[in-house]
Amino acid sequence: DGGITQSPKYLFRKEGQNVTLSCEQNLNHDAMYWYRQDPGQGLRLIYYSQIVNDFQKGDIAEGYSVSREKKESFPLTVTSAQKNPTAFYLCASSTPGRGYTFGSGTRLTVV
Amino acid sequence: AQSVAQPEDQVNVAEGNPLTVKCTYSVSGNPYLFWYVQYPNRGLQFLLKYITGDNLVKGSYGFEAEFNKSQTSFHLKKPSALVSDSALYFCAVRAVRRDDKIIFGKGTRLHILP
Repeated sequence: DGGITQSPKYLFRKEGQNVTLSCEQNLNHDAMYWYRQDPGQGLRLIYYSQIVNDFQKGDIAEGYSVSREKKESFPLTVTSAQKNPTAFYLCASSTPGRGYTFGSGTRLTVV
Repeated sequence: AQSVAQPEDQVNVAEGNPLTVKCTYSVSGNPYLFWYVQYPNRGLQFLLKYITGDNLVKGSYGFEAEFNKSQTSFHLKKPSALVSDSALYFCAVRAVRRDDKIIFGKGTRLHILP
């Protein structure tokens, strides 16, 4: 079945450490997105990519980086510059004119 | 700029009663409207969408939504609530434009009381 896979489901980061969250889709969607979800704040867009080798900053890109080397993959790196990274991270993909398909999320915790 | 408002942070409904989760939007041009549901520690699941056509849209799990252009609203409804409907619900709007992004509301937590 087609879908989006996020891994790992749970991730723990030490202070000053970079971590990378994986997002893979086999839906043949051109566009992919990363959101951060904090309690009571809904979804905030971190980065998005509408085509391979191209991506744009969203509303809260500081402290994050992405790459889009393959259509299927859109990994998100949470860098040490992100001072408050504890959150639930959601990846999504879409095709023009349609809604988004979401992954099941990664919960990142700073220890 | 496009935006979505969900005026209620939480809605409580007794099981078996009808439920409504409110959503209003602001967008230039014709909107694409969506409702998503999120269960704890899970991604968002698509419930229904309005693109064009009938103002009453039927979706998954017995939910429906009514598009009202004059009131710029897209309220989610269900005739008889189930305890299993308890979840976080997001309204979203997409304007037909180049970057084609969807804007999400802040979410409404629905509690169905047994």
